[in-house]
Amino acid sequence: EAGVTQSPTHLIKTRGQQATLRCSPISGHTSVYWYQQALGLGLQFLLWYDEGEERNRGNFPPRFSGRQFPNYSSELNVNALELEDSALYLCASSFDGALGDTQYFGPGTRLTVL
Amino acid sequence: ILNVEQSPQSLHVQEGDSTNFTCSFPSSNFYALHWYRWETAKSPEALFVMTLNGDEKKKGRISATLNTKEGYSYLYIKGSQPEDSATYLCAYDQTGANNLFFGTGTRLTVIP
Repeated sequence: EAGVTQSPTHLIKTRGQQATLRCSPISGHTSVYWYQQALGLGLQFLLWYDEGEERNRGNFPPRFSGRQFPNYSSELNVNALELEDSALYLCASSFDGALGDTQYFGPGTRLTVL
Repeated sequence: ILNVEQSPQSLHVQEGDSTNFTCSFPSSNFYALHWYRWETAKSPEALFVMTLNGDEKKKGRISATLNTKEGYSYLYIKGSQPEDSATYLCAYDQTGANNLFFGTGTRLTVIP
């Protein structure tokens, strides 16, 4: 069974540009989560999507947004990139988002903002 | 921002030694505690999800316990092997809304 996949592996942008990161969940999973790991910090929760709807959002500005498609894959968009957005972005999926549902992580996209 | 603390930050043990790490979290409004193993250049691997006070989970040589009243979880590794070398993360769900708050991890190095 294929795990969570993310693309691209690496992404280099300049300040002010927009970045789009993509995630495909494990087959049969409806929930997708996005996390950011900035240098020296722990993983921080960004967004949770389930059945195409945004279910929860972390403490990030509105220029971090995303969506979930009918096939449950997801995009994370970061607008007006700032230097501090440079980080590893991890996507995870879970079966249905129920309490205690295990979140399975992808390999991440490393975003570098110059 | 919740304070999820893990100790120690890093640990070196000899192959064959048993070891344990601690995850501390706020004891109020507990919903779930997750443990992950994260090897360099790989995806974080889910180890356990625990939801009830007193829960004990086991997977091979790795086990975990949970005390929600005092706000801590222990992860134990019995007979450490070099392939156990990784960063072990705990993550706390306080709201039941799946926004996990992660600790910064315990980095384990097992010396052959």
